[in-house]
Amino acid sequence: EAGVAQSPRYKIIEKRQSVAFWCNPISGHATLYWYQQILGQGPKLLIQFQNNGVVDDSQLPKDRFSAERLKGVDSTLKIQPAKLEDSAVYLCASSANRGQGETQYFGPGTRLLVL
Amino acid sequence: GENVEQHPSTLSVQEGDSAVIKCTYSDSASNYFPWYKQELGKRPQLIIDIRSNVGEKKDQRIAVTLNKTAKHFSLHITETQPEDSAVYFCAVPMNNNAGNMLTFGGGTRLMVKP
Repeated sequence: EAGVAQSPRYKIIEKRQSVAFWCNPISGHATLYWYQQILGQGPKLLIQFQNNGVVDDSQLPKDRFSAERLKGVDSTLKIQPAKLEDSAVYLCASSANRGQGETQYFGPGTRLLVL
Repeated sequence: GENVEQHPSTLSVQEGDSAVIKCTYSDSASNYFPWYKQELGKRPQLIIDIRSNVGEKKDQRIAVTLNKTAKHFSLHITETQPEDSAVYFCAVPMNNNAGNMLTFGGGTRLMVKP
């Protein structure tokens, strides 16, 4: 079974530029998550999707971050404009469903450096 | 929101010794407690989890114990090996109706010296 795929793996941009990350979850997984992991910290959840709907985006900085999962499969996360403090690894994860206890499988992440 | 604290932040052990990492949480409604292992530059991977209807779960050299009354759970690794060196994260479901949104601890860097 293929795992969670993410691209690009690395991205370097200057502050105030925009950037987009792509995620393809495990086939058949209804629930998709985006996490931000700053160096030396644990992953912090940004947004959770169930199929093509947003379940919770309370921790997403909506003034600059946006995410979508229009067809309920792939998802994109965008930052516009980027700030220095957005430098982090952006992890996508998926689970079969949204019930508590469903195992979350993580992708390899996109490492973002904002200069 | 859920408050998750993990201790210690770093742990150095000799190969063959045991390692214990503890995680405390604030929301008594949580009933699922996973542990993830993250090697340098790699993705977090689930290594073991426990649900609130049991107090302990073992998988070969790894075990997790849960004390719901005290709101803490611990990861135990016995007969440590150099390949156990990694950062370990505990996680707890957030206190909301979304079900599976996790709050992660700050991580424990485990170093196993050969």
